[in-house]
Amino acid sequence: DIQMTQSPSSLSASVGDRVTITCRASQSIDTFLNWYQQKPGEAPKLLIYAASSLQSGVPSRFGGSGSGTDFTLTISGLQPEDFATYYCHHTYTSLWTFGQGTKVEIK
Amino acid sequence: QVQLQESGPGLVKPSQTLSLTCAVSGASLTSGSSYWSWIRQPAGKGLEWIGRIYTSGSTNYNPSLKSRVTISVDTSKNQFSLKLSSVTAADTAVYYCARVISPPFSPVRWFDPWGQGTLVTVSS
Repeated sequence: DIQMTQSPSSLSASVGDRVTITCRASQSIDTFLNWYQQKPGEAPKLLIYAASSLQSGVPSRFGGSGSGTDFTLTISGLQPEDFATYYCHHTYTSLWTFGQGTKVEIK
Repeated sequence: QVQLQESGPGLVKPSQTLSLTCAVSGASLTSGSSYWSWIRQPAGKGLEWIGRIYTSGSTNYNPSLKSRVTISVDTSKNQFSLKLSSVTAADTAVYYCARVISPPFSPVRWFDPWGQGTLVTVSS
């Protein structure tokens, strides 16, 4: 199994901050990496696919980068509606796995 | 706009079989560039991929659940289903269905959209 490790597990930030979340794969996954946002009581929502492609309708303050084993989700200018949990997800092998999540809280 | 809606019993007794259905609207289950999947999330925890079914009817399952899982499709009703046998309290979770986007000539895949999720509790 490919293990996906996110860091940090949680963070506190203020509106307007630049936030960076990291996802590390236990082996190379090329760019087979997606990012989802989940708010309490809601289903996850796709933000970024194929490591860096912004899903239609997602604000441009969200950005993804990386390839191989190290990936980053960046939120440039945190907004009140961005406080949520973020998950990375790989589809490199037939067994798809998620990171454990990063909770972004209000400072 | 593609929408998915899970349905099924919210309470299942231990050792019994959990059965859920995902109704799809706005897209055909036989669409060549999509296939379909189940994911679950225990309360306060992360996401676990359960399995997927292709338009051909072939399936792939998470090895940790493979011996207990069956995913099937009913094209006449445009819905797909999940069965998980011999459930225990550890199977208590919110269960999501999702479409898998599989672009032509590209190996990348992603989930979009997701259903709203349905809570299944395993308890006697």
